[in-house]
Amino acid sequence: AQTVTQSQPEMSVQEAETVTLSCTYDTSENNYYLFWYKQPPSRQMILVIRQEAYKQQNATENRFSVNFQKAAKSFSLKISDSQLGDTAMYFCAFISSGGSNYKLTFGKGTLLTVNP
Amino acid sequence: GAGVSQSPSNKVTEKGKDVELRCDPISGHTALYWYRQRLGQGLEFLIYFQGNSAPDKSGLPSDRFSAERTGESVSTLTIQRTQQEDSAVYLCASSLGLAKNQPQHFGDGTRLSIL
Repeated sequence: AQTVTQSQPEMSVQEAETVTLSCTYDTSENNYYLFWYKQPPSRQMILVIRQEAYKQQNATENRFSVNFQKAAKSFSLKISDSQLGDTAMYFCAFISSGGSNYKLTFGKGTLLTVNP
Repeated sequence: GAGVSQSPSNKVTEKGKDVELRCDPISGHTALYWYRQRLGQGLEFLIYFQGNSAPDKSGLPSDRFSAERTGESVSTLTIQRTQQEDSAVYLCASSLGLAKNQPQHFGDGTRLSIL
């Protein structure tokens, strides 16, 4: 079974600074997808960024980028130029690319607070 | 609609009552998913639908939980004889198809509180 671990329950950063959220996962599979979702106080989960395991190039979406280390099974999220609106819970998630298991496995989340 | 819609937004009920939670996916999305999020926890996968079919129901916590989907659109999650441990936010998501790389689009959830 796959597991996803987010070791930082809470983090804070000053506005305009850079912060990195960590995520590690455990799987015996070679092909899979990784996601970072953001959940602001409004509760809606919003997809931030997605990475395909067979791609070595790290995914980027504007101020958001990942550091994907497949051998280490690590998938950290870097937020540059942090904004107040980035304050939210951030969840790392995993899904295997093969088989008929469509379960998206989430970590327990990291609460990020951006301070003015 | 523009996004996944869930109703009610909040539900408070007494222990032992039945509750029904509703999810309207994004129009044209054939895959639909239900998750449970307990306070301070990540999301726990419950069930998914491809069209109106739910191939794997093993994620449902107990036989008090059931889900159905009709017309490849609206889905309902029913919890019978509710217990206090059922208190959680229930999130629904949909995706364009049942492909692993398809991002799931989430609704705002239903916050269920069992007294």
